Amino acid sequence: GAGVSQSPSNKVTEKGKDVELRCDPISGHTALYWYRQSLGQGLEFLIYFQGNSAPDKSGLPSDRFSAERTGGSVSTLTIQRTQQEDSAVYLCASSTSGDRGNQPQHFGDGTRLSIL
Amino acid sequence: TQLLEQSPQFLSIQEGENLTVYCNSSSVFSSLQWYRQEPGEGPVLLVTVVTGGEVKKLKRLTFQFGDARKDSSLHITAAQPGDTGLYLCAGARSSGKLIFGQGTELSVKP
Repeated sequence: GAGVSQSPSNKVTEKGKDVELRCDPISGHTALYWYRQSLGQGLEFLIYFQGNSAPDKSGLPSDRFSAERTGGSVSTLTIQRTQQEDSAVYLCASSTSGDRGNQPQHFGDGTRLSIL
Repeated sequence: TQLLEQSPQFLSIQEGENLTVYCNSSSVFSSLQWYRQEPGEGPVLLVTVVTGGEVKKLKRLTFQFGDARKDSSLHITAAQPGDTGLYLCAGARSSGKLIFGQGTELSVKP
């Protein structure tokens, strides 16, 4: 497809389990971003990739959260030992470049994560 | 700390009315972007404003960037039910990282 693809679209899991969320950015987009959207908090930045490196991971809420990107393309966000407060929609976006902050970001439809 | 204050958070109006959404910050951004989000979907970019004082029009939508590049507004003329949705402003840092406002949930009743 031409857009950003995220999987799974929905994930329900028990507290304490690990989850892995996947993002396929638009082909050729070097910059990739993860955001979290929850009720009452709005959209929060988690981490930014330029190529395979992550120059800004300041938004990751705790060391239970990690992310990687391989081949300058697919990215995975992993949450270990999930807690109920991790329930949210996790959104991925990509752009042609992270430079200067003027490039439009193209968002996927997100993964809705529910922790029981 | 909310770096970008968006108001109002909820707005319910009748078809044909005009409205303005405000986005204010004490920080300077590389650009200010406006998105619209439908339920179950990701945000879709409406416009990017880059230059202080810039005004951009998209049909009945008018976007303005403040002279100091710290604030922005979205004005909708003669709102229609199809305008219903969540409107988000976002300030971009030089890395491209976006700082989002809380969003404005707009409902336009026929």
